[in-house]
Amino acid sequence: AQKVTQAQTEISVVEKEDVTLDCVYETRDTTYYLFWYKQPPSGELVFLIRRNSFDEQNEISGRYSWNFQKSTSSFNFTITASQVVDSAVYFCALSEGYGGSQGNLIFGKGTKLSVKP
Amino acid sequence: ETGVTQTPRHLVMGMTNKKSLKCEQHLGHNAMYWYKQSAKKPLELMFVYSLEERVENNSVPSRFSPECPNSSHLFLHLHTLQPEDSALYLCASSPRTEYNEQFFGPGTRLTVL
Repeated sequence: AQKVTQAQTEISVVEKEDVTLDCVYETRDTTYYLFWYKQPPSGELVFLIRRNSFDEQNEISGRYSWNFQKSTSSFNFTITASQVVDSAVYFCALSEGYGGSQGNLIFGKGTKLSVKP
Repeated sequence: ETGVTQTPRHLVMGMTNKKSLKCEQHLGHNAMYWYKQSAKKPLELMFVYSLEERVENNSVPSRFSPECPNSSHLFLHLHTLQPEDSALYLCASSPRTEYNEQFFGPGTRLTVL
């Protein structure tokens, strides 16, 4: 069965600290995609990244970086030098390939990040 | 306007009312989705439409009725709701259903009295 676990319910850091949000997934498919979304207080989910199961290269985008490790079924997200504007709920999600429901993004429960000045 | 828009942003209704939520996407996408986000559960996919045809219905109660008249518009018709249906209802779109990132609207905060 497919599942996404975000064990950290809430994290609080002080501005400029680095913070890592954990994501562990379960799937039987060999073809799948992983995503991270940000949900600020306004409510709209903002797409951050998509990674397919065949590409284990880590990715960096500005202060954001992602570490995908198939061996541990993890897709962790690190924010470097956090800022107050990073405060939001972050969701990790999984979309399976063949055999999975079309368009079915399976979300974790989210991690609420609070960055204090 | 650009992106995905939803109206209304807030809705309060009684259990006997009938109301509709509207979603519109200006991205030229072929797939649209309804999600429910409540306080105690992860985001739940409710309906998926691809090229105006429903391809997924995750056992949603019949008091929720979707309608997709064209690839740019999606409605969620509500009737005889229960207080536990109070939640944030999010609409999303993607170029197609497989593998693509979905782009979300701001949501409708629904309160059922």
